[in-house]
Amino acid sequence: GNSVTQMEGPVTLSEEAFLTINCTYTATGYPSLFWYVQYPGEGLQLLLKATKADDKGSNKGFEATYRKETTSFHLEKGSVQVSDSAVYFCALVLDTGRRALTFGSGTRLQVQP
Amino acid sequence: SQTIHQWPATLVQPVGSPLSLECTVEGTSNPNLYWYRQAAGRGLQLLFYSVGIGQISSEVPQNLSASRPQDRQFILSSKKLLLSDSGFYLCAGRDTKISTNEKLFFGSGTQLSVL
Repeated sequence: GNSVTQMEGPVTLSEEAFLTINCTYTATGYPSLFWYVQYPGEGLQLLLKATKADDKGSNKGFEATYRKETTSFHLEKGSVQVSDSAVYFCALVLDTGRRALTFGSGTRLQVQP
Repeated sequence: SQTIHQWPATLVQPVGSPLSLECTVEGTSNPNLYWYRQAAGRGLQLLFYSVGIGQISSEVPQNLSASRPQDRQFILSSKKLLLSDSGFYLCAGRDTKISTNEKLFFGSGTQLSVL
C-alpha cells in the first residue's frame, strides 16, 4: 500500500536557523507529493507540491524536491522565523481512484526567538 | 475560495455515548469529501470518502459511520464511542470542477477525547 514516513518531532530551532524535515514515501505508481502546514488554531493548508520526478515545489521560502530515486520529498528552508512554528505534514496522492491524500504523521516545528 | 466549517473544535465524551461531528462546505458544489483521523503519534488515516449525496465508502472497519445527506454536508457518527475512538478528526474536500485538481481543503479539525 501507500505510505508516508516523516521525521518525528518536535523540531526546535532558533530564528534564522536552517530547517530540514525529512519525508520518504512508498507508493504503487507515480504519486504527486505535497507538504501541508497547520498553524496553531487553524486548518491544514497546502504549502507546496510537486507532481513529477525532479520537480521542485516552493512557497514562502520553503522548498522540496521530488526525488524518485530516493523516494523522498524533504522540506527545507534557509532561515526560519517564529511565525513558521506549526505542524508540517507530508502527503501523497495517486492520480487514480479516490484520489485521497495519504499523510505522514506530522512534524511539529517550534522556532524560538 | 472553498472553505469547510467543522465543529466542535474539542469534544469530551464518555465511553458508550453517541457521536455526531458535522462539516459543511462553502464555495463549491459536488465536492469529494473525506473524513480523516489522527491518533496520537500517527499520521492522518482516511476513514471515509464520499463522491456525492448518499455515497459513502469506508476505508477501514471501525466503530464509526458517515453520511452525506446534502451535497455540502458530511457527518461522522457513532452509536457508542470506544476509548480507541479518541483522536483528531479532520474533514476535507476536493473541488471536482477541475478534473486534475489534487488539492484538498480542510476544516480546522475536532479533538475528541473519549473517557
